[in-house]
Amino acid sequence: QQQVKQSPQSLIVQKGGISIINCAYENTAFDYFPWYQQFPGKGPALLIAIRPDVSEKKEGRFTISFNKSAKQFSLHIMDSQPGDSATYFCAARNSGGSNYKLTFGKGTLLTVNP
Amino acid sequence: GAVVSQHPSRVICKSGTSVKIECRSLDFQATTMFWYRQFPKQSLMLMATSNEGSKATYEQGVEKDKFLINHASLTLSTLTVTSAHPEDSSFYICSARARGTGRLDTFGSGTRLTVV
Repeated sequence: QQQVKQSPQSLIVQKGGISIINCAYENTAFDYFPWYQQFPGKGPALLIAIRPDVSEKKEGRFTISFNKSAKQFSLHIMDSQPGDSATYFCAARNSGGSNYKLTFGKGTLLTVNP
Repeated sequence: GAVVSQHPSRVICKSGTSVKIECRSLDFQATTMFWYRQFPKQSLMLMATSNEGSKATYEQGVEKDKFLINHASLTLSTLTVTSAHPEDSSFYICSARARGTGRLDTFGSGTRLTVV
């Protein structure tokens, strides 16, 4: 059972364009929604995160939009740059249980063409 | 900021041997550490959760006797892949979480294991 569904699987954007990646979830016990950026051969790095009581969070060129009623959240990368080319994972943290585990989406390979 | 060091970054071992991977929190005490496995072009799959001073909790389908996890101190967790086989070849990633940080996870840089 895939608890966090991420789309698209891959995305090609021109430099300066907007990259949009979407995620959806079902588990209402999720209480924290981070996005990670991963370059080949490296571990994931936290990019930006949001809690469900906020509808939008912006940090520089990166914005998360969160729709609690629809159980959906998305990452928008404004003015996309070739250096943004990486794999992006959405995740959701489960507040149920004792360890607050993260569940990851399947990832989106973003390519920004110069 | 929080830094997690993972070592080695890559290792090649012969089939049947054991390999140990270390995960260290450099500037904070990690009460909880997580170990993930990632196959090429796939997502991170949680293998196990380790809390300092207690036995690791393994996810369903992960063999605890094959993937030995030790979290002996608040700054170090180790994953030992015992009797490694080619199908164990993968990218292993740890993450660490400090108490009192809103349960935010910091990831290591990963270990590429190749079993030949």
